[in-house]
Amino acid sequence: GQQVMQIPQYQHVQEGEDFTTYCNSSTTLSNIQWYKQRPGGHPVFLIQLVKSGEVKKQKRLTFQFGEAKKNSSLHITATQTTDVGTYFCAVNDGANSKLTFGKGITLSVRP
Amino acid sequence: GAVVSQHPSRVICKSGTSVKIECRSLDFQATTMFWYRQFPKQSLMLMATSNEGSKATYEQGVEKDKFLINHASLTLSTLTVTSAHPEDSSFYICSARSPKGETQYFGPGTRLLVL
Repeated sequence: GQQVMQIPQYQHVQEGEDFTTYCNSSTTLSNIQWYKQRPGGHPVFLIQLVKSGEVKKQKRLTFQFGEAKKNSSLHITATQTTDVGTYFCAVNDGANSKLTFGKGITLSVRP
Repeated sequence: GAVVSQHPSRVICKSGTSVKIECRSLDFQATTMFWYRQFPKQSLMLMATSNEGSKATYEQGVEKDKFLINHASLTLSTLTVTSAHPEDSSFYICSARSPKGETQYFGPGTRLLVL
């Protein structure tokens, strides 16, 4: 099945700084999804990317799918304390709608 | 957005007892639901795929006789952890496949602590 990797697992930023994280695969991905899990909470769907080079924005969050469909990025502009949480990328295998999650990156924001 | 509920949200039980967790899709019908387990500071690991009216499909390494799954209706799937042991303590999360199949809606999770 399709596998995705997220490195590092933790990142700390100062409030107001920008933040970028990546999701990588050694194989071409059919799609990529991003989820956010707040501390103590459950994953919440953020976005799905399907097309090569696709870029989608949600307020201060920008998601991009690589041209080769082997990586994806999540960029947060001017981080806020509400951005704290773990961001997972995941691949939907299509046939069975199973999701394979990356290990996630936990973002902490210093006020 | 679609709502998925889980009950109970938190349970503490003694070693050797069985615990049943319910997952409900509240405003849509879900022919397929998924059960995940998440240990502290780790990612979600898929345990099994629950299909309405048929047997669940378990991931490699997940004991089907220990983690009993029943999907008797289009809005309810249950996970029963049988003869629970302390190592089964974890955060169990269910999800329901969206009607178009493009994503999953997650329940709030159940924290299980086995003493």
